[in-house]
Order: sequence, then structure tokens, then C-alpha cells
Amino acid sequence: QAVVTQEPSLTVSPGGTVTLTCGSSTGVVTSSHYSYWFQQKPGQAPRTLIYETSNKYSWTPARFSGSLLGGKAALTLSGAQPEDEAEYFCFLLHSGVIVFGGGTKLTVL
Amino acid sequence: EVQLVESGGGLVQPGGSLKLSCAASGLILGNSAIHWVRQSSGKRLEWVGRIGLKAESYATTYAASVKGRFTISRDDSQNTAFLQMNSLESDDTAVYFCNLGRSGYWGQGTLVTVSS
Repeated sequence: QAVVTQEPSLTVSPGGTVTLTCGSSTGVVTSSHYSYWFQQKPGQAPRTLIYETSNKYSWTPARFSGSLLGGKAALTLSGAQPEDEAEYFCFLLHSGVIVFGGGTKLTVL
Repeated sequence: EVQLVESGGGLVQPGGSLKLSCAASGLILGNSAIHWVRQSSGKRLEWVGRIGLKAESYATTYAASVKGRFTISRDDSQNTAFLQMNSLESDDTAVYFCNLGRSGYWGQGTLVTVSS
């Protein structure tokens, strides 16, 4: 089974920009992996922010964006807010099976 | 307001069975594929499986770790999805969430503990 990798932790300053990535052990991530991004805060269910690489929901803050970058899926946060401090998970679709990354703990400090 | 409410979790002995439900309100469940996702205390999310739409003949796909033990079903007339879990093992201990894929909605989760 493919392994999906994310940075274990990242720190961003308030108002700053940070990019989280989601890589695959099988090689380059493409749009065919239908990457999704989720935000989870302690004690809460995950919240979907981005679907199918770059699509947003009505509830997705405009400061979040999804893309493909350097062979990986990426989530960019531009203008970080204190409330963005959370765990962020991605998943990729591999041959009909969904594989989650291990998550990135994002600190806004 | 869209709500997904999971129920049916609890304590079960190894080798036992449990059936989880995911009841939807505020939307027509029949318009969405349904996923089950679990999260152990180690916090990593693990995809359990998916059931497709009626147009996909309700096709199901499962993670290797649960294939042959877990079964996902749905009753669109009740706006409810189910996860039947058999031959439970201690590694199945987790909070189980239902998720509507592209629709983006999640339930609040239900805790399953497998222990003697």
C-alpha cells in the first residue's frame, strides 16, 4: 500500500504564509490522486477544507488554497490567523483506495 | 442545517461484532457516496471504506485492514448508512466517523473500544 507523507509539524507567524505538502511513496502526485485536505482541532471532528486538489467549500476561509507543487499536493495558508492552529491531514486516492497522511501539526506563533 | 449523527459505538470483546449507524438530516443521503473513517488515540486518520451511489450499484471498497470483516451498507429511504463490524480486534479501537466525500460533511464520531 502506498504511504502518504506530510510534515509532522510546522510553525507560522500570525499573518504569515505557510505551505503544507502531501507526498506519495509511489511518485509524483497528480490530479488523478484527487487530494483532499482536512483541518482538525482537539476534540472535534475533521473539517474538509479542500477537495480534488484545489476546490473549496463555502466554509473554507479564502486564505486557504490547494494546489500541486513540486510533485506533491499542497495546502497554502496565506495570512495565518491564531484560529488556524490545528492538525491538518491530507489524503490521496491510490487505485481506488484512500490513504491518509500522518498529519501536520500547525502552530501559529 | 446538515447533520450526520453516528451511533452504535461501545465496548465489545475481541472477536465480537458491532453495527454503527450514520443518520443524515438536512440533505438527501442518496446523492452522496459515503465513507467511514476511523481515528485511534494515536490521532492518525485511517480510511475504512466507501459505498457508492445507486447509480454505481452501491459498489463498496474497503481498506485491506478491514476487508472481509467489515461491511458498509446504506438505506437511502431512511437517510442512513451502516458499518457492520465483525471479528473485531483490539487494533479496531478508534473513533469512527462517517463522511460524505466530495460533499465535505462529517459526523461527530462514535467510539468503539475492543477489549476484554
